[in-house]
Amino acid sequence: DTGVSQNPRHKITKRGQNVTFRCDPISEHNRLYWYRQTLGQGPEFLTYFQNEAQLEKSRLLSDRFSAERPKGSFSTLEIQRTEQGDSAMYLCASSLGGGGQETQYFGPGTRLLVL
Amino acid sequence: AQSVTQLGSHVSVSEGALVLLRCNYSSSVPPYLFWYVQYPNQGLQLLLKYTSAATLVKGINGFEAEFKKSETSFHLTKPSAHMSDAAEYFCAVSYGGSQGNLIFGKGTKLSVKP
Repeated sequence: DTGVSQNPRHKITKRGQNVTFRCDPISEHNRLYWYRQTLGQGPEFLTYFQNEAQLEKSRLLSDRFSAERPKGSFSTLEIQRTEQGDSAMYLCASSLGGGGQETQYFGPGTRLLVL
Repeated sequence: AQSVTQLGSHVSVSEGALVLLRCNYSSSVPPYLFWYVQYPNQGLQLLLKYTSAATLVKGINGFEAEFKKSETSFHLTKPSAHMSDAAEYFCAVSYGGSQGNLIFGKGTKLSVKP
């Protein structure tokens, strides 16, 4: 069990550029979640996958955001035409099962700064 | 909408003193309840969770929390604070079913004075 990993850890980009983040969950975890955390706030849910199927998307996930989880393993989160308001910590978590009581294991996050 | 309220964005205690971090949820249906801790530049780590078994839940590092349905609360306590407890603490709820995500409070930053 190597834990959830995220890459890159930090990303600085200019407004209007596209960025892509990667999350590698704990192996054999069927659920994978993306959250966004801004300064002084708790993490806010963006989307989640059960295996390769994207089951739920938050209203926070505008059409500039897209997430994939091909083959039910790693996941990518892409933000197109970044805006300064996208600056945040993007957290990935994975879990085994899906009844709601299972523990979500979080990665260290990718900190995005849009200039 | 379901929400989680953490009273006090910043709590400061002396080393050895009682730690009490408050969490209330808004729902008529008892959710699953979690406390996570976040150290600087690290991901969130689970401290403990309530999943409808015993109402007093013991977690790691000497922390415990009690689920009180009548008060819709799940406050986190530790009898004696240690310097290493300084971190940000998040309360979260989950309702299961097709809604798989956690709903987090805004967090409480705990400072421990020597």
